[in-house]
Amino acid sequence: QSVLTQPPSASGTPGQRVTISCSGSSSNIGANVVNWYQQLPGTAPKLLIYSNSQRPSGVPDRFSGSKSGTSASLAISGLQSEDETDYYCAAWDDSLSGVIFGGGTKLTVL
Amino acid sequence: QVQLVQSGAGVKKPGASVKVSCKASGYSFINYYIYWVRQAPGQGLEWMGLINPSDGGTSSAQKFQGRVTMTRDTSTSTLYMEVGSLRSDDTAVYYCARLLPAARGSALDIWGQGTLVTVSS
Repeated sequence: QSVLTQPPSASGTPGQRVTISCSGSSSNIGANVVNWYQQLPGTAPKLLIYSNSQRPSGVPDRFSGSKSGTSASLAISGLQSEDETDYYCAAWDDSLSGVIFGGGTKLTVL
Repeated sequence: QVQLVQSGAGVKKPGASVKVSCKASGYSFINYYIYWVRQAPGQGLEWMGLINPSDGGTSSAQKFQGRVTMTRDTSTSTLYMEVGSLRSDDTAVYYCARLLPAARGSALDIWGQGTLVTVSS
């Protein structure tokens, strides 16, 4: 069981805005930044958001991240069919002295 | 371009060991830590450990301590991770990934393509 909790699934229609939550504790999200990864089927994860809310070059501004206390969220606006894939949050955990990932959320575009 | 290229897939018997390689190119090898992450079939991502290519220092997740060895060869800019005493639940895709500095969130910005290791008798 993952230390960071994500909903296993989320869905939305094209053009809609969806959010994916990531819940942790004071030793991980509460103390460190959150990063988000997108993983297309059969491929390696891709960095989507770093330092809670920053987008790497090339990531559309439809993707945004936020953090409050021990929780973080990934928001995707203007949902597109190609957004249908898996998303993972991650943060360093001071108690475990290691990186922990959320269990992943499978996003479906209806 | 900046990339990490991993060794090919393999099948191992229970109790054996496997050594996965990860060749870095396109950037200063010693300036970025490398993480190792695995993903069992249909499952999520699991951090295994990290290595500092500059001095070879390592740190691994508690569950892998004593069973995982991470090394590097600076002459070829290649990282290695060896997993011993393989079990069936070690069947997974193993990834190496480059760690950005803390100023950029300690995020993993470049990933290898993954190496599928299947443990089966």
